[in-house]
Amino acid sequence: DQQVKQNSPSLSVQEGRISILNCDYTNSMFDYFLWYKKYPAEGPTFLISISSIKDKNEDGRFTVFLNKSAKHLSLHIVPSQPGDSAVYFCAASVPSQGGKLIFGQGTELSVKP
Amino acid sequence: DADVTQTPRNRITKTGKRIMLECSQTKGHDRMYWYRQDPGLGLRLIYYSFDVKDINKGEISDGYSVSRQAQAKFSLSLESAIPNQTALYFCATDTGTGVTDTQYFGPGTRLTVL
Repeated sequence: DQQVKQNSPSLSVQEGRISILNCDYTNSMFDYFLWYKKYPAEGPTFLISISSIKDKNEDGRFTVFLNKSAKHLSLHIVPSQPGDSAVYFCAASVPSQGGKLIFGQGTELSVKP
Repeated sequence: DADVTQTPRNRITKTGKRIMLECSQTKGHDRMYWYRQDPGLGLRLIYYSFDVKDINKGEISDGYSVSRQAQAKFSLSLESAIPNQTALYFCATDTGTGVTDTQYFGPGTRLTVL
C-alpha cells in the first residue's frame, strides 16, 4: 500500500521553462512534507519542505504547494536549469511514529539545454 | 569530510553469503535509518534506531538485521543474501528533535547478489 505516490516516473523540460513535479498521499495524518533531490552515485539531499499548516513554501527557484483537501503536493522549479536534472523524491512525515518518513517512488527530471 | 559515510560503496556477493554494510556519522545525531532503493519503488525503510538502545523494524525488515554499536555507528546485515536483495542501500541520520527534522543521507552502497 503506497501511502505516498509519484505517478510520473520521468519528466523532460526545456531549460528556462517551469518544471512541475507532483506527489499524492493517502494518509490524512501526515503533517509535514519534504522534497529530496538525488544525483547518480550520491545520496538524496534535502531540497525544501512544507508544514501542513501552510499551502506554499518558497526557496529561491523552488516552490512547494500543498493542497490538503486533495492530498496533493507539487514542486515547481522556475526557471529550470540543466543542473536540476536528477531524481526527485517526495516524502511525508508520520507524527505518530516520531517523524519517520515515507517516500514516494521518485520522478526523474531531465532539463534539456 | 562527509558527515555520513557508508562502506563498502559497491559489493558483489553470492547467494547465501552473509554481508554487512556499515554506516558512520559525525553529525552527532541520535537517530539513524537504513533504506533500500529499487527502481519504481523509491526509498523503503528497512530498520531505524532512535538511540543506541532502540531498534525498530521498518516496512521491509525480513531478511535483514541491524546493530547500533554506538551513537555514530549503525550496521545492516544480510544473514543469507538472496538475489532480490540486489539494490542500492542508504543510511540516513537526523537529530530527533521533532517532526520537522531533515534526514541526511550517506552516498549509498550498491549491492549485487548473484
